Amino acid sequence: GAGVSQSPSNKVTEKGKDVELRCDPISGHTALYWYRQSLGQGLEFLIYFQGNSAPDKSGLPSDRFSAERTGGSVSTLTIQRTQQEDSAVYLCASSLTSGRRDTQYFGPGTRLTVL
Amino acid sequence: AQTVTQSQPEMSVQEAETVTLSCTYDTSENNYYLFWYKQPPSRQMILVIRQEAYKQQNATENRFSVNFQKAAKSFSLKISDSQLGDTAMYFCAYNAGNMLTFGGGTRLMVKP
Repeated sequence: GAGVSQSPSNKVTEKGKDVELRCDPISGHTALYWYRQSLGQGLEFLIYFQGNSAPDKSGLPSDRFSAERTGGSVSTLTIQRTQQEDSAVYLCASSLTSGRRDTQYFGPGTRLTVL
Repeated sequence: AQTVTQSQPEMSVQEAETVTLSCTYDTSENNYYLFWYKQPPSRQMILVIRQEAYKQQNATENRFSVNFQKAAKSFSLKISDSQLGDTAMYFCAYNAGNMLTFGGGTRLMVKP
């Protein structure tokens, strides 16, 4: 079946602009995760959604970052007033359920470049 | 806080040879899972192998196997009969709750 998809594949924006990144998880997966991959910080957890529960936002680096998940499926990560340090690859993953035992399947990522 | 360390930033191996990638982690948890993911230039993170901390038997998936030493908190990946398609970044990851904690990665180059 279809894997996790993300759009756009690449995004170039100017400092101070807002951007929206989209993630479509694998159908039937209730858990959805966002990670950020940057040269300086490696792979970092950002936010996690499980079903209709309140998301775990503990990894969001600042209040310029927010995410939502509509209808328990598609998720959008929004970065307001982008800064150059936001440049990174943003990876989305989904798993059948939440918890340590469930394998997380990743999308191809969105490469964000802030000029 | 849990940490995952991969001490080899880069490695290379000749095609058909065997290579071992190292990973250590620090945790106070007793029940957790460990993973190795592969990330080729396409950026897609692909699961290579996973290990449950409660299982003493080392996991094996075709040419990939792990050496899991729980007391030493070590989780190395062995790739046998290396192939050119194995060229990629390899990340060790830990999960004791919901999110994955990743190591810094090892860039593996398989040479013809």
